Amino acid sequence: ETGVTQSPTHLIKTRGQQVTLRCSSQSGHNTVSWYQQALGQGPQFIFQYYREEENGRGNFPPRFSGLQFPNYSSELNVNALELDDSALYLCASSSRGRDRVYEQYFGPGTRLTVT
Amino acid sequence: DAKTTQPNSMESNEEEPVHLPCNHSTISGTDYIHWYRQLPSQGPEYVIHGLTSNVNNRMASLAIAEDRKSSTLILHRATLRDAAVYYCILLGGTTDSWGKFQFGAGTQVVVTP
Repeated sequence: ETGVTQSPTHLIKTRGQQVTLRCSSQSGHNTVSWYQQALGQGPQFIFQYYREEENGRGNFPPRFSGLQFPNYSSELNVNALELDDSALYLCASSSRGRDRVYEQYFGPGTRLTVT
Repeated sequence: DAKTTQPNSMESNEEEPVHLPCNHSTISGTDYIHWYRQLPSQGPEYVIHGLTSNVNNRMASLAIAEDRKSSTLILHRATLRDAAVYYCILLGGTTDSWGKFQFGAGTQVVVTP
């Protein structure tokens, strides 16, 4: 069983640019959540996708957007990058079913630096 | 959403037990208590979860107070590999809440050889 993978591992962008981060969910998982983790802080929930539809968003502006594909892989897009967007971006996959309490499996994250 | 309060850091000697407290005085009746930990340079990983009864698994034990306003994660014999940030998270019992974790700052556990 393969785990959650994310690409790229590291990324450096300039303020104002756009970035796309990718996540491959664990096999059989239909839900993916994205988190932003600033240095020294806990992860902050950005949004969640369930069966290709956005299913909840945290306190992040519309320039943060996402997609989930039929194979349950996912993308996080950030437009008009700001310096404060520098962080570790984590995706987590899980399987929603009759038993609602499924653990989430996190990827290793993408470290984004905005200069 | 109900919030959790954890100490910033705790130290332990290797092979000794570690008791990590978490206060959640505004917990609702349907909130599950989850614990995750994050090792250096890795994403968080699941440790344990519970609702009302104490829970045990191969990694840890979770002791939940009778009024559910607090809980304690117990690592029975700390190893160097247990050095991590431990997060206590409440998750609503509805599918609408599912997977939308509200992480706090967590507790940094330091294990000394």
